This record gives sequence, C-alpha cells and structure tokens, in this order.
Amino acid sequence: QVQLQESGPGLVKPSETLSLTCTVSGGSISSYYWSWIRQPPGKGLEWIGYIYYSGTTNYNASLESRVTISIDTSKNQFSLELNSVTAADTAVYYCARVQMATLHFDHWGQGALVTVSS
Amino acid sequence: QPALTQPRSVSGSPGQSVTISCTGTSSDVGGYNYVSWYQQHPDKAPKLLIYDVTKRPSGVPDRFSGSKSGNTASLTISGLQAEDEADYYCCSYAGRYPVVFGGGTKVTVL
Repeated sequence: QVQLQESGPGLVKPSETLSLTCTVSGGSISSYYWSWIRQPPGKGLEWIGYIYYSGTTNYNASLESRVTISIDTSKNQFSLELNSVTAADTAVYYCARVQMATLHFDHWGQGALVTVSS
Repeated sequence: QPALTQPRSVSGSPGQSVTISCTGTSSDVGGYNYVSWYQQHPDKAPKLLIYDVTKRPSGVPDRFSGSKSGNTASLTISGLQAEDEADYYCCSYAGRYPVVFGGGTKVTVL
C-alpha cells in the first residue's frame, strides 16, 4: 500500500521560502504523477501543482510565479518550494498521488501545517 | 482560476439520503467525465470516494454514488450513517487550468 509523508518546517517567516518534502513508501515514485494541494485553516482545498517522475510539471496559474515542484527518484521523494510567502500561505499542505488518466488523487499524505509568521 | 460551486451544508437523519451538488461550466464538469469526490473528517486528510463521475475505489461503501447532468455533478449518500458526518469536496479536470476543486460541503447527521 502506497504511503506518503510530508516533512519540513512548520513555521516560515514572511517573504521567505516555504519548503516541504514528500516521501513515498510502499511503491515506486516512477510512472506516476505527484501533486501538492493545500488547505488554509477552515477553508477548502486548493491545487498547487503536479510533477511527473520525468520532471514535467504543471502549476496553478495563480501560484505559478512563486512555485517550484521537483522530484528525486533515487530517494522516492518530491518537493515543494513556495517563495515570497505571506500570511495567506498559512495552510495544511498535502502531497498526493495523481491518477493522471482521469486526474484524481488516490493516495494522500496526512498533511503538514505550515504557519507564516514573524 | 474558477472554483466549482457546492452548497455550504446539507443535513439528514440516519438512514435518509442526502445529495450534494457540484456546479461548474462546460469547461470543467460539463466538458469531461473526470469528476472526483473526497471525504474529509476533521483534522484528517481527504479520502477519495468517487472518481470518473461514478466509480468507487475498492473499500468505499456502495452507499456512496456519483452522477452528472450537464454542468452539475452530484454525490448521493444513501442510508446516512453517523460516520458520514464530514466535509465533502468535488474536483474536476478543467482543461488548461487543469484542476479545480469545489468549496466543500459539510454534511451533518441529525
């Protein structure tokens, strides 16, 4: 059974860069797409972007100028960087596996709360 | 980026059926049979309930069913149970965007 686990700092200062890593276990990261999704406290889900194991990416247009998603197949990990963060970027960040044929998210990590505050 | 429209809340008594709507446009829900639904209990990660409008992953009870008509997709919970009290989100492929979520619906079991 595939499992995903987010890791990274829980507190980031305004204007700095948010960095998270998702470690995939129980299966290979190859041959799948992988995504980041976030959820501000008390609000709904927002798709951030996805990456293919080959490195191909696609980002939410509203975040594209600040987002980078990368992948390390040797470590079975993929990562998120979001720069120039503000309080509006405070959220629980989820990593998820994408079934790309019909674009749905079949496995999710437990989520990591990242707070942007000085 | 557009978001799909869901009612903020629905409620029902145990054993009843409730239906959650998810309204989009011809560029997302109406244009593709790629609607999925997710259940989220408090402080938990979302869980896939329905994909490709009507399909259930293994392990999801058949009380949960999906459908679509035009630009509106629906999730029906039949025989409502206490453990169904949660937030539910729809999601659709949206072409150039390419992913849009609904705002979420809170289901309350009375």
